[in-house]
Amino acid sequence: QVQLQESGPGLVTPSETLSLTCLVSGGSLMNYYWSWIRQSPGKELEWIGYVSDTGATHYNPSLQSRVNIFIDAFKNELSLQMSSVTAADTAVYYCARHAGTGLDRRAFDIWGQGTKVTVSS
Amino acid sequence: DIVMTQSPDSLAVSLGERATINCKSSRTISYSSNNKDYLTWFQQRPGQPPKVLIYWASTRESGVPDRFSGSVSGMNYTLTISSLQAEDVAVYYCQQFYNTPWTFGQGTRVEV
Repeated sequence: QVQLQESGPGLVTPSETLSLTCLVSGGSLMNYYWSWIRQSPGKELEWIGYVSDTGATHYNPSLQSRVNIFIDAFKNELSLQMSSVTAADTAVYYCARHAGTGLDRRAFDIWGQGTKVTVSS
Repeated sequence: DIVMTQSPDSLAVSLGERATINCKSSRTISYSSNNKDYLTWFQQRPGQPPKVLIYWASTRESGVPDRFSGSVSGMNYTLTISSLQAEDVAVYYCQQFYNTPWTFGQGTRVEV
């Protein structure tokens, strides 16, 4: 059974770069798309961006200038980097797998447990 | 961006009673080429990540109890819990998977 586990620093200083990793276990990264999604303290969910198994990416325009998502197929993990963070980036960050692609895309069908990130000095 | 608006924000339902949650999209999220509505419903219990219940507006995810159902009328989507169980206490979100940036509703809290 595929499981996702996010990891990273719980506390990040304003203006610094946030780096998170999502380890995929029980299955392969290949043949799937993978997204990062965050949930603010007010509980709103925001899609950050996705990466394909070939490394193609697509980002939310609201975050595009600050975000980079990439995969490491050998380690079976995906990563998120977000630069110039502010308090507004404080959230729980999730990685999630896409079920289906193209017109067959169905849902984010598997989610990690999430990792809480606080941006504060 | 496509805005997804849920109503109500919260809902109190007695055990065994019906719960109905609505979600309206600001633009179409349906392709006429395949007649699919790219609308997903999630359940989020406290301290847990979201869990998919329904995709393509009305297709139940494998393993989801059949008391959960989804329907569509135009750009209005509905999630119905036919007979509320104690384990259904959660926040429910809709999400459009039609156009990036993919967007979520603000959530509806269901309580007993």
